[in-house]
Amino acid sequence: NAGVTQTPKFQVLKTGQSMTLQCAQDMNHNSMYWYRQDPGMGLRLIYYSASEGTTDKGEVPNGYNVSRLNKREFSLRLESAAPSQTSVYFCASSDSSGFWETQYFGPGTRLLVL
Amino acid sequence: DAKTTQPNSMESNEEEPVHLPCNHSTISGTDYIHWYRQLPSQGPEYVIHGLTSNVNNRMASLAIAEDRKSSTLILHRATLRDAAVYYCIRGSQGNLIFGKGTKLSVKP
Repeated sequence: NAGVTQTPKFQVLKTGQSMTLQCAQDMNHNSMYWYRQDPGMGLRLIYYSASEGTTDKGEVPNGYNVSRLNKREFSLRLESAAPSQTSVYFCASSDSSGFWETQYFGPGTRLLVL
Repeated sequence: DAKTTQPNSMESNEEEPVHLPCNHSTISGTDYIHWYRQLPSQGPEYVIHGLTSNVNNRMASLAIAEDRKSSTLILHRATLRDAAVYYCIRGSQGNLIFGKGTKLSVKP
């Protein structure tokens, strides 16, 4: 099992460009998440999908859109990138969205917006 | 405030026990306490979680205070591979709310 995979690993964008970060999991999990991590900080939740066909905003959703393409895949789109979106982006999945559930994280995508 | 309070950093010697404290004084009755760790340049990794009782697994032990306002992650014998940032997290409504964590350094 690969677990949670993310593409690309690194990306450099110019201000105003758009891009989509891809995430896939092979654990048959129902819930998936997107987080961002700024230097020296903990992770902050951007969006999550409790189950296929649903998405909800997290703590910092502005400037992002998400798509739960199917049970395996959850993508994060930046329509018009800004320097403030320079960060490391982590995707995670869990069996359900219950309080007790363990989340499994991908290796991250490092994004630099110039 | 849904975040927890942890020391910014701690040091340990290799093969000695490590006790990582966490305060969560405003925790609600249904919030689980989760611990994750993040090695350099990697995504967070689950360590352990609990609700009221102390918990043990192959990685660590979790001691939860009777009033649930604090908890302690115990690594029984620290190794160099345990050097990481450790996050104490309240699991609320299905979301993990991360603070800044404790950076653990392990000296040989």
